[in-house]
Formats: sequence, structure tokens, C-alpha cells
Amino acid sequence: QVQLQESGPGLVKSSETLSLTCTVSGYSISSDYYWGWVRQPPGKGLEWIGIIYHSGGTHYSPSLKTGIIISIDTSKNQFSLKLSSVTAADTAIYYCARALGSGTYFFDYWGQGTLVTVSS
Amino acid sequence: EIVMTQSPATLSVSPGERATLSCRASQSVSSNLAWYQRKPGQAPRLLIYGASTRATGIPARFSGSGSGTEFTLTISSLQSEDFAIYYCQQYNNWPLTFGGGTKVEIK
Repeated sequence: QVQLQESGPGLVKSSETLSLTCTVSGYSISSDYYWGWVRQPPGKGLEWIGIIYHSGGTHYSPSLKTGIIISIDTSKNQFSLKLSSVTAADTAIYYCARALGSGTYFFDYWGQGTLVTVSS
Repeated sequence: EIVMTQSPATLSVSPGERATLSCRASQSVSSNLAWYQRKPGQAPRLLIYGASTRATGIPARFSGSGSGTEFTLTISSLQSEDFAIYYCQQYNNWPLTFGGGTKVEIK
């Protein structure tokens, strides 16, 4: 069974870089599929951040694009998110998830989510 | 960017009743529309993709319909475990976008 688990600091200072890692078990991420990040700010809806293909190709949200880097480490079966110059608006639950790809970019497996708070 | 608008924001329904949730896209997304269920403290759960195909393990009381810009998620007979927030997501165009959600609460 495919499982995803987010990890990283729960508290980040304003203007610094938020870094999260998603560890995948039950499936080799080098085989196929797209791997993405979605967040949910407190009291708000879901917001797509970006996605990476197993070979390294990426798509990012244009509203966040200048600050985002998503990378993949197939040797560790992990992918990561870096979001630079964070502000309080980046406080959210961050989810990693799997998308089927090839025009079917919906998310069938999700991590439990990790709360990241940006402090001033 | 395609804007997804869900209505109503909150739906009050009694157990056993039918719930109908709407999702509208600002431009056509063909049938590239998914629905998710989110409960407090849990990850979103994929319910429907391709506008009308139930995901693995999803009960038959959940059904999706629509294409183009108008979509509907119907829960035929609400069970206690169905009270949650529901989100639609289009995957026809980049960037991927979600609706604002519909909260289904107990009446």
C-alpha cells in the first residue's frame, strides 16, 4: 500500500526558507507518477503548490513560482519542497500527494499533512 | 487561471437525506474534474475523478456528474461519516485549482 509522510520544521521564521520532505513507502517513485504539494491555510481551502515528475520535470503555481523549488531524490524515495522568503501567509497545513499524471493530475494518495507556522 | 466556485458554502442535511453539491469552472475543463472529502485532522480523500468515476473503495452512494463548466457531487443517503468538507479540483489546465469547498453539516 502506498503511503506518504511529510516531515520538516513546524516553525519557520519570516523571510526564511520553508523546507519539507515527503517520504514515500510502498511504491518506488522512480517508476512513474507525479508527486506534488498542496497546502491549506487556517480557515481556507486547498491550494496547489507544485508537482514533479519522477524524471524531474516540474510545474509550479504561478502565484508562488518565484519562491518554489520541488526536487526528487529517487535513491531515498523522497521528494522535497523549498519555499523561500516566507511570510505569515505561508502558515498552513502542507500535504504531499501522488498524481497519476499524463493528463490525469488528480491526487489519489495523500500524506497526513504537517502544520507549518511562520513566525515573525 | 481557472477559478473553481463551489456552492453552497454550507449545506445542512439530515442523516439519510440526499445532498447535492455544485462546482462551477470559469471556463471549460472538459471532464477533468475531481472531488475530495476532507474530515478534520485527516488528509483529503479522493472520491471522484473524470467527473463521474468513483475512486477505489468509494461507496456507491457517492456519484458525480457534469462536464464543461458545471459539475455536481451527489450523496444519495447521507451517513454519519459523510459529514465533512468537500472540494472539487480541475486538472484540465495548469495551474491546478481547487474550489473553496462545501461543508456538509448535520441538520
